[in-house]
Amino acid sequence: TQLLEQSPQFLSIQEGENLTVYCNSSSVFSSLQWYRQEPGEGPVLLVTVVTGGEVKKLKRLTFQFGDARKDSSLHITAAQPGDTGLYLCAGERAAGNKLTFGGGTRVLVKP
Amino acid sequence: DAGVTQSPTHLIKTRGQQVTLRCSPKSGHDTVSWYQQALGQGPQFIFQYYEEEERQRGNFPDRFSGHQFPNYSSELNVNALLLGDSALYLCASSAQALSYEQYFGPGTRLTVT
Repeated sequence: TQLLEQSPQFLSIQEGENLTVYCNSSSVFSSLQWYRQEPGEGPVLLVTVVTGGEVKKLKRLTFQFGDARKDSSLHITAAQPGDTGLYLCAGERAAGNKLTFGGGTRVLVKP
Repeated sequence: DAGVTQSPTHLIKTRGQQVTLRCSPKSGHDTVSWYQQALGQGPQFIFQYYEEEERQRGNFPDRFSGHQFPNYSSELNVNALLLGDSALYLCASSAQALSYEQYFGPGTRLTVT
């Protein structure tokens, strides 16, 4: 049983469309990290959110941490084929603690 | 500045054998965590090493053991391999005194036949 539930599991969209990935939990996390992983490679850190209600923007990607620090979302505007990959959210209870990962959302952006 | 490195990249073993995977952390990092990622799933925490000691452990059997060396590099050992141990093994490094962020290596793909 995943402590962090990601939805949807798979998303296929056309280039230029927007998408949102959700990461939900019944547990409170001190921080939440989003990663993108390409096939056969390790996850690459995109962003870390630590404050409830925090919103961070990274070019066309917008990350939000829920007020109660139990959920997060990733929104991509005008998706491009280069955004294709597995998006993983991971929560941490305290700095330096273990990461608990969601099951991942596989995103496919078609040209 | 070299990131996290892992070796080997791929490995094929037979059931019952033993395997050792290696990890060198990012420069300036002193903590190493190991994760197992089965195909189509998110990574699962195995254990974490800091100051050459295992600090935390996930829900993995004693067949999984590790070590951290004075230069902060680490090894993951798996004994009596099972078919279900086939996975991508990821190493992540972080700096204990700093932020929450963990940086991952490219992983070692282990196949058990």
